[in-house]
Amino acid sequence: AQSVAQPEDQVNVAEGNPLTVKCTYSVSGNPYLFWYVQYPNRGLQFLLKYITGDNLVKGSYGFEAEFNKSQTSFHLKKPSALVSDSALYFCAVRDLDDYKLSFGAGTTVTVRA
Amino acid sequence: EAQVTQNPRYLITVTGKKLTVTCSQNMNHEYMSWYRQDPGLGLRQIYYSMNVEVTDKGDVPEGYKVSRKEKRNFPLILESPSPNQTSLYFCASLQTNTGELFFGEGSRLTVL
Repeated sequence: AQSVAQPEDQVNVAEGNPLTVKCTYSVSGNPYLFWYVQYPNRGLQFLLKYITGDNLVKGSYGFEAEFNKSQTSFHLKKPSALVSDSALYFCAVRDLDDYKLSFGAGTTVTVRA
Repeated sequence: EAQVTQNPRYLITVTGKKLTVTCSQNMNHEYMSWYRQDPGLGLRQIYYSMNVEVTDKGDVPEGYKVSRKEKRNFPLILESPSPNQTSLYFCASLQTNTGELFFGEGSRLTVL
């Protein structure tokens, strides 16, 4: 079985400061990892993904994520947060041999001006 | 424009009154899925479909039905809704070559 843990329900940062949203995963085979963002009253939007290759992946809106196989983590980062980054962020994982995507519980990010 | 369209976006109903939430995608994706989103639980898969006439249960299928008679449509059916099905529902379709899921805008259902 595959699963995702997002240990923080909420992350609060000041605008201009670095933002990190944590994610750890469990999967039997090779992982296929994603980050999605949800703005109020909207569906989920794709931010970035990791399949293979460079452990640091870059995505939309200046976000990046670092894959760490030994720690089974895929933390989302942004060097300088904006107020407009305030949203609900979901980490997700699937096995490369399966289409099923398992989501974490989500982390609410609040960036204060 | 590539999109997944759900209707209705908001619905209030009463226990036992059958309802259907429609989902349509215009990307010719074979794989489609329904999720429900509840606070603190993230998104949980209800049903999925690998292709026309091929559907299977996800993690929380109880109380739901689906059908896939055409590639573009994947309706979610609640035959006899109950208050514990009050939730935010999302339909999604998968672009298999990139692995990216495309989500609809969500349907907020309240069962009284």
